[in-house]
Amino acid sequence: QQPVQSPQAVILREGEDAVINCSSSKALYSVHWYRQKHGEAPVFLMILLKGGEQKGHEKISASFNEKKQQSSLYLTASQLSYSGTYFCGTYQGGKLIFGQGTELSVKP
Amino acid sequence: DSGVTQTPKHLITATGQRVTLRCSPRSGDLSVYWYQQSLDQGLQFLIQYYNGEERAKGNILERFSAQQFPDLHSELNLSSLELGDSALYFCASSVGGGVGEKLFFGSGTQLSVL
Repeated sequence: QQPVQSPQAVILREGEDAVINCSSSKALYSVHWYRQKHGEAPVFLMILLKGGEQKGHEKISASFNEKKQQSSLYLTASQLSYSGTYFCGTYQGGKLIFGQGTELSVKP
Repeated sequence: DSGVTQTPKHLITATGQRVTLRCSPRSGDLSVYWYQQSLDQGLQFLIQYYNGEERAKGNILERFSAQQFPDLHSELNLSSLELGDSALYFCASSVGGGVGEKLFFGSGTQLSVL
């Protein structure tokens, strides 16, 4: 089953913060985050492994709560370059399954 | 540039036809993944290979088949094409295909079935 992301879309002004959530009905051992800009391929952001650790990439960080089977991606002081679709992915039955994506638009 | 090469970039064909999409993974990567991306379906996992062997299979249609060759490049064959097969097909690679590894995606092949 596909992980569920929320919100489906978000519009921000430059400098604002955003949170994207990813939840699964199945036990999570790792969560992957990727960003896809319009017309481009998805690009890796980070992987969180079981243990609740936070990771960071630029001003983007994420948390992983395996008990709640959830991960959240935090975008701080957003920049125009953060615009794109964010996907979380989880391994299920040996397959890396992605959520439906969250479209983030950052306006000047 | 991710280092993953996909050809062709664009493919236009007719219903009922057969096409082959090609993927060359990053140097040193043993695992190849295929994903289908259409507007209403997001990134759908099709299949994964590791060092020539099938490792995981998603909801890949019987009309679709794939393989990974000894030189590690992979091909995705789509036959008896239907209008609904129109999509962006991505190939990705990783070193060993483990759960803690990041995937590097190619730029994709845009397939249009008319």
